[in-house]
Amino acid sequence: EIVMTQSPATLSVSPGERATLSCRASQSVSSNLAWYQQKPGQAPRLLIYGASTRATGIPARFSGSGSGTEFTLTISSLQSEDFAVYYCQQYNNWLLYTFGQGTKLEIK
Amino acid sequence: EVQLVESGGGLVQPGGSLRLSCAASGFTFSDHYMDWVRQAPGKGLEWVGRTRNKANSYTTEYAASVKGRFTISRDDSKNSLYLQMNSLKTEDTAVYYCARDLSYYDHWGQGTLVTVSS
Repeated sequence: EIVMTQSPATLSVSPGERATLSCRASQSVSSNLAWYQQKPGQAPRLLIYGASTRATGIPARFSGSGSGTEFTLTISSLQSEDFAVYYCQQYNNWLLYTFGQGTKLEIK
Repeated sequence: EVQLVESGGGLVQPGGSLRLSCAASGFTFSDHYMDWVRQAPGKGLEWVGRTRNKANSYTTEYAASVKGRFTISRDDSKNSLYLQMNSLKTEDTAVYYCARDLSYYDHWGQGTLVTVSS
């Protein structure tokens, strides 16, 4: 099983500032990584796939980078609606997709 | 517009059974792999299992935590996905989501809550 580790567990950032979220894989997943946003009481929403490709309708302030074992999700200028929990997911091992434990992005 | 709507959740005793359904619309359901993903209260996301499409013989795979107890099936004529859950345990308590599998999940249902408790 590929273990995905996200850091930090909680990130406090002020609106308008940049947020940087990290995701590390226990072994290489190439670029087979996705990022999701989840708000309370809602289903996750796909933000990024292929480590850096924005999903349909996702604003340009969201960007993904990395390959292999180290990945980053950057939100360039935080809006009020961006405060949520973010998950990474690897799909390199198609027999067992795994998610990180999540990073809660909260208002500072 | 792609829509996925789960139903069938509820309260069940340990050792009991429950069948979840997911009604799909807005896309060619039969072409796609479909998965179940769950989320225990206050916890993260856990992949439960998947069914492939007809072209791939409707093969299924399961997480170790549910293998032998859960069965995923689909009815392409009804654009529906199912999750039969048997021998339920308290640790199966979660919101269960169906999701369209492109390897990543581009569409999710709203989820249905399953509570396993005596």
